[in-house]
Amino acid sequence: SAVISQKPSRDICQRGTSLTIQCQVDSQVTMMFWYRQQPGQSLTLIATANQGSEATYESGFVIDKFPISRPNLTFSTLTVSNMSPEDSSIYLCSVGQGADQPQHFGDGTRLSIL
Amino acid sequence: GENVEQHPSTLSVQEGDSAVIKCTYSDSASNYFPWYKQELGKRPQLIIDIRSNVGEKKDQRIAVTLNKTAKHFSLHITETQPEDSAVYFCAASILDNNNDMRFGAGTRLTVKP
Repeated sequence: SAVISQKPSRDICQRGTSLTIQCQVDSQVTMMFWYRQQPGQSLTLIATANQGSEATYESGFVIDKFPISRPNLTFSTLTVSNMSPEDSSIYLCSVGQGADQPQHFGDGTRLSIL
Repeated sequence: GENVEQHPSTLSVQEGDSAVIKCTYSDSASNYFPWYKQELGKRPQLIIDIRSNVGEKKDQRIAVTLNKTAKHFSLHITETQPEDSAVYFCAASILDNNNDMRFGAGTRLTVKP
C-alpha cells in the first residue's frame, strides 16, 4: 500500500492561532480524506479532499474552520483555524485508490491547544 | 446517512480464547466492510475487509462474517495473543465515487496472558 507521511506529528498551539497539517503520499491516489479522532473516541470524517476543487465537508464541519487544499494527486493540507481547546485532537489523513479499495491512514497529528 | 453501531465497547479475554466483536449498519446500500486495529498511539491499520458479495472471509486467526439481510457483520479472533490487545474499529461504506466510510465507536480488546 502507499506510504503516507503526515506532519507535524504533534504540536502545542496557543488558542486563536491556526495550524496547517500536511499529508504526502508516495504515489498518486484517487481519494484523500481528513478525519478527527478525539481522545478515546472513534474516527469522524471531516471532509473529502478533492483534487482541483473545493473539499466536500461533512455535517458539523465548515470550510472557514477547516480549510483544505489538494493541489495534486499526492498531497493535501488541512488547516485548523482560530483554534480553541475543543480542537485538541488527533487529525488523520487517509487515502483510497478507488471504489473497491480500502482506506489507509497516516500516523496522525496530535494537536493540543492551550 | 450510514450509522454503524459496535459492541462491546470493551472486551477482556484470556490468552488462547476467542474474541468476537459485532457491528450493525443502517444503510442497506453499504457494500464494503473493513476492520481496523489501532494500537496505542499508532495509526489505524486495516486487518481484514469483506465485500457484500461474500458471506465470510478468513485470514489466519482472523475471520469476518457478514449478514446482509440482518445488516450486521462480526470480527472473530481465535487463539488470542497479548499482541492482539488494541482498539478495533469496524466500518461500513458504499463503494461509489465518494468512498465515504463510517466507523463504529470501537472495541478495546485486552488479552490477558
